[in-house]
Amino acid sequence: AQSVTQPDIHITVSEGASLELRCNYSYGATPYLFWYVQSPGQGLQLLLKYFSGDTLVQGIKGFEAEFKRSQSSFNLRKPSVHWSDAAEYFCAVSGNTGKLIFGQGTTLQVKP
Amino acid sequence: ETGVTQSPTHLIKTRGQQVTLRCSSQSGHNTVSWYQQALGQGPQFIFQYYREEENGRGNFPPRFSGLQFPNYSSELNVNALELDDSALYLCASSRGQVNTGELFFGEGSRLTVL
Repeated sequence: AQSVTQPDIHITVSEGASLELRCNYSYGATPYLFWYVQSPGQGLQLLLKYFSGDTLVQGIKGFEAEFKRSQSSFNLRKPSVHWSDAAEYFCAVSGNTGKLIFGQGTTLQVKP
Repeated sequence: ETGVTQSPTHLIKTRGQQVTLRCSSQSGHNTVSWYQQALGQGPQFIFQYYREEENGRGNFPPRFSGLQFPNYSSELNVNALELDDSALYLCASSRGQVNTGELFFGEGSRLTVL
């Protein structure tokens, strides 16, 4: 079955600290992988995507993610978190149908 | 470049009623997808339209239906509303029938069913 698991429902980090959000996926074919961010009352904004090639991908707002096929993971990282990064983060996977399968999301809280 | 816009932003209905949600896709995009996001959950795929034809459907009953118009705008219709239909409904647009899932989302329509 195709699925995405985000093991951490809620994470709190101090401003300026590093961040890693975990994502594991199950997908039969070659996956396309995404991270989206959702601020309160807002739609989803694409942070970054992985289609092929270099397994370390850079996104907007200083985020990066690393695709590890052997671990079926696509973890999101940021070296130094800003208060404005507080939001909900969703990992998603798709094939070539364009249908996205989302994880449950991780809520990030940033302490001053 | 105009982004994806949805209307209404909020609405309240009672059980058994019908609702229509609307979406204008981003300029140049000919594919529209709809997602349901229940509180505390990730979005779930409802269906996708490409050039006015349904092009994929998720695990939703037939009372969820849609339309895409020649200008690529779209409607989501839900009949016989149930309490569990309360959710944020997200519209997303993209370019092409076969695409990689890089979608551009609107801000959603929040439906409350009483």
